[in-house]
Amino acid sequence: DTGVSQDPRHKITKRGQNVTFRCDPISEHNRLYWYRQTLGQGPEFLTYFQNEAQLEKSRLLSDRFSAERPKGSFSTLEIQRTEQGDSAMYLCASSLGQGNYNEQFFGPGTRLTVL
Amino acid sequence: AQSVTQLGSHVSVSEGALVLLRCNYSSSVPPYLFWYVQYPNQGLQLLLKYTSAATLVKGINGFEAEFKKSETSFHLTKPSAHMSDAAEYFCAVIEGDGDKIIFGKGTRLHILP
Repeated sequence: DTGVSQDPRHKITKRGQNVTFRCDPISEHNRLYWYRQTLGQGPEFLTYFQNEAQLEKSRLLSDRFSAERPKGSFSTLEIQRTEQGDSAMYLCASSLGQGNYNEQFFGPGTRLTVL
Repeated sequence: AQSVTQLGSHVSVSEGALVLLRCNYSSSVPPYLFWYVQYPNQGLQLLLKYTSAATLVKGINGFEAEFKKSETSFHLTKPSAHMSDAAEYFCAVIEGDGDKIIFGKGTRLHILP
């Protein structure tokens, strides 16, 4: 499968614990995006990378959220001290960053449940 | 700032009937508009996109959408619904520099036998 993959697909954690999600983009894609989708809502942009550079992180929901893409390939999204309100689907997407519009291809998501 | 509004969080149509999912956009510049579909437990899939070329855009699975600037609309249609079309559909717009997709709240399409 050459699409975007995410791991794990499901994560259940207790409030206050840290969690980390991984995203593997399509291999030749230099841009990688993270979105969050809560129940009954559309996906909400969080942050994105071009290669290893994080070009925008102002939409990260709080300082408990951080993302990395150290080698310009896979990316991780970490949530520290999880809260029940963090329960959501976390989506990753990648694109080949050329021109004005770059189609983003989405992974299946990681569903987080915070108890 | 760009945004989209989807009218109707749930739409039900009979199998074989016309599908019409409504989307209105707000944008200060010519927008790039999209429709995505999300099947249960799957990621988002691009159905079609409008990028300032033809105003009638054809997508996958028999869907199409028409960009109407005068109405600031980008409604999604399909002439004949199929049971496999049951899913959640999101209208979306690119914000600013082309890297952030702003999604609507989604419309869940139910197909009645």
